[in-house]
Amino acid sequence: ILNVEQSPQSLHVQEGDSTNFTCSFPSSNFYALHWYRWETAKSPEALFVMTLNGDEKKKGRISATLNTKEGYSYLYIKGSQPEDSATYLCAFIMYGQNFVFGPGTRLSVLP
Amino acid sequence: EPEVTQTPSHQVTQMGQEVILRCVPISNHLYFYWYRQILGQKVEFLVSFYNNEISEKSEIFDDQFSVERPDGSNFTLKIRSTKLEDSAMYFCASRLGQTNTGELFFGEGSRLTVL
Repeated sequence: ILNVEQSPQSLHVQEGDSTNFTCSFPSSNFYALHWYRWETAKSPEALFVMTLNGDEKKKGRISATLNTKEGYSYLYIKGSQPEDSATYLCAFIMYGQNFVFGPGTRLSVLP
Repeated sequence: EPEVTQTPSHQVTQMGQEVILRCVPISNHLYFYWYRQILGQKVEFLVSFYNNEISEKSEIFDDQFSVERPDGSNFTLKIRSTKLEDSAMYFCASRLGQTNTGELFFGEGSRLTVL
């Protein structure tokens, strides 16, 4: 059974703070890692699709890095805003397998 | 912008009843999925579907579950005889391409409550 972990489970930050959280996954047979943002009462939306060791992706104030050899990815949010409040899910894909989601990190940004 | 749509948004049913959850994936997508999230727990994979057949299913997807793509647009999940533990949010997702690097597009979910 594949184990994908995310930490912390939840996080409260003040508006303007920068923050980061982690997704840990098995380091063997890596194929891809996805990050999704899931706002309350909406559907999860893809943020990043990462496939290569050392990948760094950026979308506005949000960026992500990938280390496939040690099995982790970081998601960074610079200058958090209340609209960043959501659950952030990572999904690990092993070659030939389906997506396995982590439990998510729930971020609350306080104004 | 194309989107995945799901109906109903919420269904309440009695234990032992059959339930059908409907999804309309994005029209040119080829791969379809059902996931569920029991309240407070992680998102769990149920089944994937490609080329009119199941390509993979999880241990959760037992004989009580079935999927169908009856008319080339709808993608349905049927639970034959619901149990209390089937209460969850069920998400349909689709993706375009043949590689698993393509992102998933999710519907807004169908909340199932089994009494």
